[in-house]
Amino acid sequence: GENVEQHPSTLSVQEGDSAVIKCTYSDSASNYFPWYKQELGKGPQLIIDIRSNVGEKKDQRIAVTLNKTAKHFSLHITETQPEDSAVYFCAPRGGYNKLIFGAGTRLAVHP
Amino acid sequence: EAGVTQFPSHSVIEKGQTVTLRCDPISGHDNLYWYRRVMGKEIKFLLHFVKESKQDESGMPNNRFLAERTGGTYSTLKVQPAELEDSGVYFCASSQFPGQGVSYSNQPQHFGDGTRLSIL
Repeated sequence: GENVEQHPSTLSVQEGDSAVIKCTYSDSASNYFPWYKQELGKGPQLIIDIRSNVGEKKDQRIAVTLNKTAKHFSLHITETQPEDSAVYFCAPRGGYNKLIFGAGTRLAVHP
Repeated sequence: EAGVTQFPSHSVIEKGQTVTLRCDPISGHDNLYWYRRVMGKEIKFLLHFVKESKQDESGMPNNRFLAERTGGTYSTLKVQPAELEDSGVYFCASSQFPGQGVSYSNQPQHFGDGTRLSIL
């Protein structure tokens, strides 16, 4: 079956530091790898995604790297700010078009 | 552009009652998905509509759940009768239909804020 593991479950950093969250998946057919940010009382918001023909993608302070051979992809946030505090989910695409969510990482950025 | 809208934001009902959740996708999005997060678990896929047709309903937990999308616009998810283990947050997402020759993977899914369902 499709299995997704996300680490760490919680992450605490000082403002200005970098944060890295890693996601490992089992379905070798997966070819789309998004990251979502969820704030309290809101739904998951897409922040960055990558397709399987690309190894890295960057959007300002956020980047995603993909290692298809090892079946993992990571979210990198640089120069963290308090407003980055939220729960982050990886959700690689599984069979048909459904997303398989990781358990989430609670990121706390301290001023 | 209005995002995915879900109603109600919160519903509290007693075990055995019926509840209907509604989702309005982003205008023009043919793909509509339902997901849910029950206590202590990950967000899980329930089903996928393409317009009014069910493309994949492999995640529907049992026959107490009925999803419809008449006319291919908004969708409803009915739980009848509701059980305690149905408590959680139900999310709806939508994406554009990729069109001929374009992969689904090029169409990101946009989520609503969810309906928090509490069964007493």
